[in-house]
Amino acid sequence: EPEVTQTPSHQVTQMGQEVILRCVPISNHLYFYWYRQILGQKVEFLVSFYNNEISEKSEIFDDQFSVERPDGSNFTLKIRSTKLEDSAMYFCASNRGRSDTQYFGPGTRLTVL
Amino acid sequence: GDSVTQMEGPVTLSEEAFLTINCTYTATGYPSLFWYVQYPGEGLQLLLKATKADDKGSNKGFEATYRKETTSFHLEKGSVQVSDSAVYFCALSERGTSGSRLTFGEGTQLTVNP
Repeated sequence: EPEVTQTPSHQVTQMGQEVILRCVPISNHLYFYWYRQILGQKVEFLVSFYNNEISEKSEIFDDQFSVERPDGSNFTLKIRSTKLEDSAMYFCASNRGRSDTQYFGPGTRLTVL
Repeated sequence: GDSVTQMEGPVTLSEEAFLTINCTYTATGYPSLFWYVQYPGEGLQLLLKATKADDKGSNKGFEATYRKETTSFHLEKGSVQVSDSAVYFCALSERGTSGSRLTFGEGTQLTVNP
């Protein structure tokens, strides 16, 4: 069964550094998402992406964040200058149509020191 | 804005016990409702969903009914197994033109002991 994959599973970085989290959505899916979960808190929506542009973003998704689909398979989340409060589990998701079930990857745990 | 509230956890049960995890929501429109499950070390997996009032979603012995009058979507299972130990998330999605962002509850950790 096709699945969403994410790399790396765990990323440790220093405050102020740039990080890129990578996701490979399911191949025939058209809508892509990033969510995050700070330890002990809710899973929060960050951004949705369709047809090579952002379709919706939350108030969390400020200028420090960007997303890109650099080729036909990868979907990336870049954090330009990480802060301590960016430490969280980041989940990628995808679906074929915007009302279809979203399929999630296993997550990348980001630790900012 | 939209929000989802789950019962406080964690929940610990013995095998074959009855499970209820409460979920209530606030939404401006007519959302679709979901239960996702996260097993240790894995991503979120859809457990079941319901898209309109009075619909019942069911899967793997779990079920939940979309109750518009009480804005609830409680998860139930008649007899839990050790393998059901996981974190359960209630979520909603508003039907809009810009996408289908999911709004999640806090998650409820379920531990089932043999």
